[in-house]
Amino acid sequence: DAGVIQSPRHEVTEMGQEVTLRCKPISGHDYLFWYRQTMMRGLELLIYFNNNVPIDDSGMPEDRFSAKMPNASFSTLKIQPSEPRDSAVYFCASSPRHSLSGNTIYFGEGSWLTVV
Amino acid sequence: QKEVEQNSGPLSVPEGAIASLNCTYSDRGSQSFFWYRQYSGKSPELIMFIYSNGDKEDGRFTAQLNKASQYVSLLIRDSQPSDSATYLCAVKNRLNRDDKIIFGKGTRLHILP
Repeated sequence: DAGVIQSPRHEVTEMGQEVTLRCKPISGHDYLFWYRQTMMRGLELLIYFNNNVPIDDSGMPEDRFSAKMPNASFSTLKIQPSEPRDSAVYFCASSPRHSLSGNTIYFGEGSWLTVV
Repeated sequence: QKEVEQNSGPLSVPEGAIASLNCTYSDRGSQSFFWYRQYSGKSPELIMFIYSNGDKEDGRFTAQLNKASQYVSLLIRDSQPSDSATYLCAVKNRLNRDDKIIFGKGTRLHILP
């Protein structure tokens, strides 16, 4: 399996612009997570989906952030409008529902976002 | 948001010695515990998971869980320079059908050659 695939890997954008991050989870995984990592706050859970349905979005910082999962193989995280404080690494991760490793999550390589 | 606490470090350990990493959690309902390693500029990767009180060994790594005291630790024996990384503790509450996995901020480990 190719693992969790994220795009873009790096993005630099100007404040106020819309940013869309994309994720393809591992095939067969029921759960998809979006995390944000910064030095100050560590790895924060933004939202997660189960079978394409958003389960908990309490970590989404504000209305500028939105996430969708239209099908089992694709999810997006959108920031509109973007602000400099959104600069971070955004990780997508997926997890099988039942596994010997007990719902271990597998991370993509991350999308490095810089908002100037 | 449930809390997962780790000492940020850096923790410096001589090569060949035992590195001990600790993590405490606030939610008594937490059932599953994970240790991830993250190299600089890379994504986290799973090292070990543990569910039951006691020790679990995998090669040079040992995870220890004490639910009564709400802490989990990771021991790395015969530390190698390649073990230098940030180690993230993560917990999951399997009760109440809560599938969130919450991470600590990580401990930076530096193995001194």
